[in-house]
Amino acid sequence: EAGVAQSPRYKIIEKRQSVAFWCNPISGHATLYWYQQILGQGPKLLIQFQNNGVVDDSQLPKDRFSAERLKGVDSTLKIQPAKLEDSAVYLCASSLYRAGGSNEQFFGPGTRLTVL
Amino acid sequence: SQKIEQNSEALNIQEGKTATLTCNYTNYSPAYLQWYRQDPGRGPVFLLLIRENEKEKRKERLKVTFDTTLKQSLFHITASQPADSATYLCALEDSSASKIIFGSGTRLSIRP
Repeated sequence: EAGVAQSPRYKIIEKRQSVAFWCNPISGHATLYWYQQILGQGPKLLIQFQNNGVVDDSQLPKDRFSAERLKGVDSTLKIQPAKLEDSAVYLCASSLYRAGGSNEQFFGPGTRLTVL
Repeated sequence: SQKIEQNSEALNIQEGKTATLTCNYTNYSPAYLQWYRQDPGRGPVFLLLIRENEKEKRKERLKVTFDTTLKQSLFHITASQPADSATYLCALEDSSASKIIFGSGTRLSIRP
């Protein structure tokens, strides 16, 4: 079975520019997550989708970050405008949905963003 | 605020020994706790999930314990091998399988 796909794998931009990341989850996975992982730290959840609805976006900096999953399948995460502190790896993960339960998450390879 | 602490320093273990990693948390009442492995330049890979009402879970050479009184999980790798060298992350979820929080990870090195 194909894994979680992400693109691009690497991106270098200057501060105040905009950037977008794309994620295609494993087929049939209703739950999709976007994480930010700064070097030396664990992943920090930015947003969690259940199909095309948002479950949790409490840690998403909404003044500059936005995410959508319009058809409940693939998703895009956008940063506009970028700041130096946004330099990190952006990970996408997906999981099956099971009411009242937790499921293992399958992670993509990530997009490494460098903001200059 | 909610906090997860994992072994802050890297762990160096002789091949064949048991590696034990800790995950402590405060200001959180998780319903689920997961352990992941992450290799450099890659996304985390799921290893084990344990529920709040479970004390212990095993999978091959891996064992996880979950003590909600101590607010701690222990992750054991028995008969460790150099291929087990990686960063290990613990993650907590609430009862609705949301509000996920990851620890910063422990880097484990197994020397031959």
